[in-house]
Amino acid sequence: QKEVEQNSGPLSVPEGAIASLNCTYSDRGSQSFFWYRQYSGKSPELIMFIYSNGDKEDGRFTAQLNKASQYVSLLIRDSQPSDSATYLCAVNPLRGATNKLIFGTGTLLAVQP
Amino acid sequence: ETGVTQSPTHLIKTRGQQVTLRCSSQSGHNTVSWYQQALGQGPQFIFQYYREEENGRGNFPPRFSGLQFPNYSSELNVNALELDDSALYLCASSLMGSNEKLFFGSGTQLSVL
Repeated sequence: QKEVEQNSGPLSVPEGAIASLNCTYSDRGSQSFFWYRQYSGKSPELIMFIYSNGDKEDGRFTAQLNKASQYVSLLIRDSQPSDSATYLCAVNPLRGATNKLIFGTGTLLAVQP
Repeated sequence: ETGVTQSPTHLIKTRGQQVTLRCSSQSGHNTVSWYQQALGQGPQFIFQYYREEENGRGNFPPRFSGLQFPNYSSELNVNALELDDSALYLCASSLMGSNEKLFFGSGTQLSVL
């Protein structure tokens, strides 16, 4: 079992729709969870982080965490073609320690105009 | 722009050679982490440097080594290059203890022929 699992996609949504990206992780003791966006040929860019169960909203983005189910998701409302990218889920097993992130393989999102 | 700079942007080497990649961290950050991202994969943690010492290492052989300098800049050295070392090498800076959020540089694309 991979430590962080994501559906590789592509996930195709029409412009203006809600894109839902999902991630599961294996280490039950994981403390911190991150979503990075990576455009083709570019480096990852942090867009959301969440530490506690529940929802965290920032603009069009909402991160959701359920530690009991070992599940974290990212919702993108009013999806735009510029949101088309690979979304990487990352987990830090020990909060505030080595800052070693374990990444999933990413989900490719394609927003159709 | 994260303020993290990496050089060179692209590099072509042959099997068995040695390579040095460089990274300047974002102003105010004292920790540098290196990640390897193979095509179609998520970044994999190589190691982290804090106070000029290695502070955590991923599952990479000893031929991957690094340095951190007093100004917090860093080098990644890879000896005896193998074809599988072809990847995007990402440097990320952060602030130890108070900020787990990683800020990535634009990366060095290494091709080993």
